Amino acid sequence: AQRVTQPEKLLSVFKGAPVELKCNYSYSGSPELFWYVQYSRQRLQLLLRHISRESIKGFTADLNKGETSFHLKKPFAQEEDSAMYYCALRTGRRALTFGSGTRLQVQP
Amino acid sequence: DAEITQSPRHKITETGRQVTLACHQTWNHNNMFWYRQDLGHGLRLIHYSYGVQDTNKGEVSDGYSVSRSNTEDLPLTLESAASSQTSVYFCASSDLGLAGETQYFGPGTRLTVL
Repeated sequence: AQRVTQPEKLLSVFKGAPVELKCNYSYSGSPELFWYVQYSRQRLQLLLRHISRESIKGFTADLNKGETSFHLKKPFAQEEDSAMYYCALRTGRRALTFGSGTRLQVQP
Repeated sequence: DAEITQSPRHKITETGRQVTLACHQTWNHNNMFWYRQDLGHGLRLIHYSYGVQDTNKGEVSDGYSVSRSNTEDLPLTLESAASSQTSVYFCASSDLGLAGETQYFGPGTRLTVL
């Protein structure tokens, strides 16, 4: 069965520091991977997807099939990046399998 | 503007009662989903639907049911609420666009079962 692991429940960094939110997945086929973000008192929203290879709000994520990882990175964290981040996997069905989430706290 | 809404936003109920959470979307999306969000577990899939009259069980479907009589609505029913069902419930719908399929989430319903 598919599984998504986010090993860190909380990641605390200072403003301007680099950020890396880890995500590992297990799936034998060809996965579709996403990062969703939930800001305080807001609904969950899509941040980026691996097939687009885009950079959103300075965040990037590269799919590494050899390491089965999809880590989210940003070179310089901003206070407004503080939020809950979820890595998610779609494996053919349209529903998503989510990781347990990482809370990013960016301190001034 | 098209959107996805959930009601109620907050609900307190007692063990054993039947509860229905509403989800309504105005995008005309065929695909709709219910997830529950719990600390340490992230979001887990309860039920999903790919169209009218279609419903499917997800990872944590025990104690829940859904019905899809039209495109816009996918109500979630807790047949006999249990304290273990205290959670935040999110509804989502999805479409297939140029960049692939994107799920759009509702604002959530916080359910407390006493």
